[in-house]
Amino acid sequence: NAGVTQTPKFRILKIGQSMTLQCTQDMNHNYMYWYRQDPGMGLKLIYYSVGAGITDKGEVPNGYNVSRSTTEDFPLRLELAAPSQTSVYFCASSYVNNQPQHFGDGTRLSIL
Amino acid sequence: AQTVTQSQPEMSVQEAETVTLSCTYDTSESDYYLFWYKQPPSRQMILVIRQEAYKQQNATENRFSVNFQKAAKSFSLKISDSQLGDAAMYFCAYRSAITSGSRLTFGEGTQLTVNP
Repeated sequence: NAGVTQTPKFRILKIGQSMTLQCTQDMNHNYMYWYRQDPGMGLKLIYYSVGAGITDKGEVPNGYNVSRSTTEDFPLRLELAAPSQTSVYFCASSYVNNQPQHFGDGTRLSIL
Repeated sequence: AQTVTQSQPEMSVQEAETVTLSCTYDTSESDYYLFWYKQPPSRQMILVIRQEAYKQQNATENRFSVNFQKAAKSFSLKISDSQLGDAAMYFCAYRSAITSGSRLTFGEGTQLTVNP
């Protein structure tokens, strides 16, 4: 049972480059989330989705975009990467509100 | 907006002893969920325990238990018979039961060291 799968695990970008972080889940969960974790801090929500075709902003959405064309996939796109986006990115999913969120293993992203 | 505060950036405990990690939160909602997540150096986010606000009984999972004080908005985690594998960053998190698709709001974490 794969759960939540994130790719890549590590990536180094140059300032101004763009990239897409992939997230897929095989649990048929309705809700999916993207968080970022800066060093020594808790996770902060970037974007979330309550179902295919529906997305909404979280606490820190600037510089990111998302789409949700299928239940399984929730990619996060960084446009014009900036050093402030150096972080560890976590994707998570849950079935409904009263169920815990399942997390992927994270993507460590460095912008140089 | 809800906030979660963990006032202990670091804690340490001797192996086989008991340690309590503190968490307080602020909310105007009456129905919500509280969680403790463990993040070892592998950086995986592992659910330790969950508490539903409408349940008065404190949640327990093996060596892990919580002290949930709803009126005081306090949610501490007790780890009994601490093991070396318990060493990790621990995050307290809040989730609304009212808002659809609601996110987790995390505290800033407590780094737990277990000494042999």
